[in-house]
Amino acid sequence: GENVEQHPSTLSVQEGDSAVIKCTYSDSASNYFPWYKQELGKRPQLIIDIRSNVGEKKDQRIAVTLNKTAKHFSLHITETQPEDSAVYFCALEGSKLIFGQGTTLQVKP
Amino acid sequence: DAGVIQSPRHEVTEMGQEVTLRCKPISGHDYLFWYRQTMMRGLELLIYFNNNVPIDDSGMPEDRFSAKMPNASFSTLKIQPSEPRDSAVYFCASSFGGGTGVYSNQPQHFGDGTRLSIL
Repeated sequence: GENVEQHPSTLSVQEGDSAVIKCTYSDSASNYFPWYKQELGKRPQLIIDIRSNVGEKKDQRIAVTLNKTAKHFSLHITETQPEDSAVYFCALEGSKLIFGQGTTLQVKP
Repeated sequence: DAGVIQSPRHEVTEMGQEVTLRCKPISGHDYLFWYRQTMMRGLELLIYFNNNVPIDDSGMPEDRFSAKMPNASFSTLKIQPSEPRDSAVYFCASSFGGGTGVYSNQPQHFGDGTRLSIL
């Protein structure tokens, strides 16, 4: 069935370094790929999204890339800051709506 | 914009009791989603509505769970009877799709969630 695999499950970086989280999927009908950030004890919030007709999208320090042929999309955070520490979820919508397992990002000062 | 409003924020009850979670979506949004979040299973979609009609309830774990959306501004998720394994954070989310397809393909706005503990 349709699924999405998110890696890594945990990621620890030094402040100022870059962080990359990758999701792979199997449903070729997927056409909308959002990323959500969830701080401890809070609700998931959309940080960036991309649609299937676009290969890359950037918003300040955050960027998302999409490779529909290889069926993967990635979140890139540059110049990380301690407040970027959170759990990040990828998601996709197509014939199903599913979330990745989440990546716990820790940014060390 | 008040955002998605969920109540209660916390609920502690004994197993066997009926639990009702409530959600008010953002005004004008035509999609409403119910999720359950646990450490073991992550974020799971339980059911979603489009224009108050349930579209996909394949994520509802069993018959003890039911959801309704009597109007565009209110939805409930009910568990009867509740069991300890139902303990989780339940999120409601809404989005505006404008009737473009099966899913909204638009950002979802989450409520603050209900933390449910079944003793």
